[in-house]
Amino acid sequence: GENVEQHPSTLSVQEGDSAVIKCTYSDSASNYFPWYKQELGKGPQLIIDIRSNVGEKKDQRIAVTLNKTAKHFSLHITETQPEDSAVYFCAASINSGYALNFGKGTSLLVTP
Amino acid sequence: KAGVTQTPRYLIKTRGQQVTLSCSPISGHRSVSWYQQTPGQGLQFLFEYFSETQRNKGNFPGRFSGRQFSNSRSEMNVSTLELGDSALYLCASSLDFEQFFGPGTRLTVL
Repeated sequence: GENVEQHPSTLSVQEGDSAVIKCTYSDSASNYFPWYKQELGKGPQLIIDIRSNVGEKKDQRIAVTLNKTAKHFSLHITETQPEDSAVYFCAASINSGYALNFGKGTSLLVTP
Repeated sequence: KAGVTQTPRYLIKTRGQQVTLSCSPISGHRSVSWYQQTPGQGLQFLFEYFSETQRNKGNFPGRFSGRQFSNSRSEMNVSTLELGDSALYLCASSLDFEQFFGPGTRLTVL
């Protein structure tokens, strides 16, 4: 099937620093790109998303950029806090419907 | 508004048995998708149902099946369980592209 590649797999930053996670996708038909945060013992939680007709979207400390030509999108978290520590997943929509292909995840650790 | 609920939360089965997992979507959501999450393979799409019809299917063997009822509740079934089926099974419901996940069912196959 179509792939979504995500990197880095682990990321450690100090509190207050920025964190950047990058993803690439292969399906040209993908038009929806969400980011999820998963904490231990919980299901993934949608934190931000972007559609193919938009290049950038921001929500407080979180921003996502999309380059459809290059087929890559990124998550930017500024002023990181210890509670941002979790596993983050990027995803891309599958041709039709609402189903998603996910990246393998990035384990983010924010140290005080 | 109640979130996505999944039952049971934990399940232990032995090889060769079958299992049925249940998902109740957010009220008003007509799409339900199922995913398998394992440490090695990550989150993998199983299938999506919309208004009782399977709209999309991932690359899993025929032992994995699902269905959706008229009230949008969904079930997935795994027959002839294998050790490799041990995983967290997640259900997500959506009204549009935004998918909201339940807490998952942790299946352990012994």
